[in-house]
Amino acid sequence: NAGVTQTPKFRVLKTGQSMTLLCAQDMNHEYMYWYRQDPGMGLRLIHYSVGEGTTAKGEVPDGYNVSRLKKQNFLLGLESAAPSQTSVYFCASSPLAGVETQYFGPGTRLLVL
Amino acid sequence: AQSVTQLGSHVSVSEGALVLLRCNYSSSVPPYLFWYVQYPNQGLQLLLKYTSAATLVKGINGFEAEFKKSETSFHLTKPSAHMSDAAEYFCAVSLGFQKLVFGTGTRLLVSP
Repeated sequence: NAGVTQTPKFRVLKTGQSMTLLCAQDMNHEYMYWYRQDPGMGLRLIHYSVGEGTTAKGEVPDGYNVSRLKKQNFLLGLESAAPSQTSVYFCASSPLAGVETQYFGPGTRLLVL
Repeated sequence: AQSVTQLGSHVSVSEGALVLLRCNYSSSVPPYLFWYVQYPNQGLQLLLKYTSAATLVKGINGFEAEFKKSETSFHLTKPSAHMSDAAEYFCAVSLGFQKLVFGTGTRLLVSP
């Protein structure tokens, strides 16, 4: 049981390049989330999904797209990276019922030059 | 809108001293509240959560938090700090649909 895994762990992009971050969970959780963490700002929700085939915008969705084609995977895409998207990205998942814990992946550190 | 405010971006204590990390919430409905911990270069993990069952909540690693409605607070405490407690701590409030709003975090520094 690996929990929540994220690929890659670290990436450097040039402005304008695109990339996809992959999140996978093996706990059969319904909900999945993408956050970004910036110094002094805590975690901010980018997009989330309440089930396979669904996505919704969070607090800071601009410049990002997501897809949840399979229940266990949640992809975060940057179509044209900008320096403002330099951050640490965390994926999390949560089961369906009740007030449950969010389980976090180890993070992806992204540097946009 | 629901939100949380963490007072103090850094808190320094000596090993064996009391740990107190402050969190105040703003919510129009009875909130669900959480404390998460982040160790260096790791993701967040749950320390404890308040879901209205009991106002004093005990978590892992000897931490506890008390929900005080009159003060709109959910402060995190530990009687005796250990070096391994050095980490960043986040308070969070639930928005429903399992969505959380996180505070800006408090970094706990523990000196020998």
